[in-house]
Amino acid sequence: GAGVSQSPSNKVTEKGKDVELRCDPISGHTALYWYRQSLGQGLEFLIYFQGNSAPDKSGLPSDRFSAERTGGSVSTLTIQRTQQEDSAVYLCASSATSGMKTQYFGPGTRLLVL
Amino acid sequence: KQEVTQIPAALSVPEGENLVLNCSFTDSAIYNLQWFRQDPGKGLTSLLLIQSSQREQTSGRLNASLDKSSGRSTLYIAASQPGDSATYLCAVRSAGNMLTFGGGTRLMVKP
Repeated sequence: GAGVSQSPSNKVTEKGKDVELRCDPISGHTALYWYRQSLGQGLEFLIYFQGNSAPDKSGLPSDRFSAERTGGSVSTLTIQRTQQEDSAVYLCASSATSGMKTQYFGPGTRLLVL
Repeated sequence: KQEVTQIPAALSVPEGENLVLNCSFTDSAIYNLQWFRQDPGKGLTSLLLIQSSQREQTSGRLNASLDKSSGRSTLYIAASQPGDSATYLCAVRSAGNMLTFGGGTRLMVKP
């Protein structure tokens, strides 16, 4: 079946603008994760959704970052008032259940803030 | 706080060689460890997942081992091919719901 998809694949924006990144997980996967991969920082966790439970937001770097997951499927990561340090690849992953199962990653959205 | 380290950061080998990539983690209280492959400009592809109760997993030419007590894992690639060239990432799930990643090993296999 189809894997995790993300859109857009690339996004260039001006400093101060808001951006929305979209993730479509694998159908039937209840767990969804957002990660960020930036030069010099490696891959870092941002936020985690599991079913109808409250999301784990412990990795969000600031209150400019937020995410939601509608209907237990599609998720949107929003970055408000973007800064140049937000430039990175934003990766989404899903798994059949939390933790013990393999996480499958999407191709990522490459964000460049000018 | 869990920290994951991968050595070496980069590796270049001739085609056909067997090679070992190393991953170490500071907190041995993990649930599982996962090895990924990342090609330039692409997302991550899961290679192997080892549960904390397991010692190793095998898939084709890949074998991953886990020594939880010493905080180490190795990824063994047999008979390397140019198509194996990529960045290899290890990640552990310990407390919480996320994976903690190492910095990766950039592998180049020369024909």
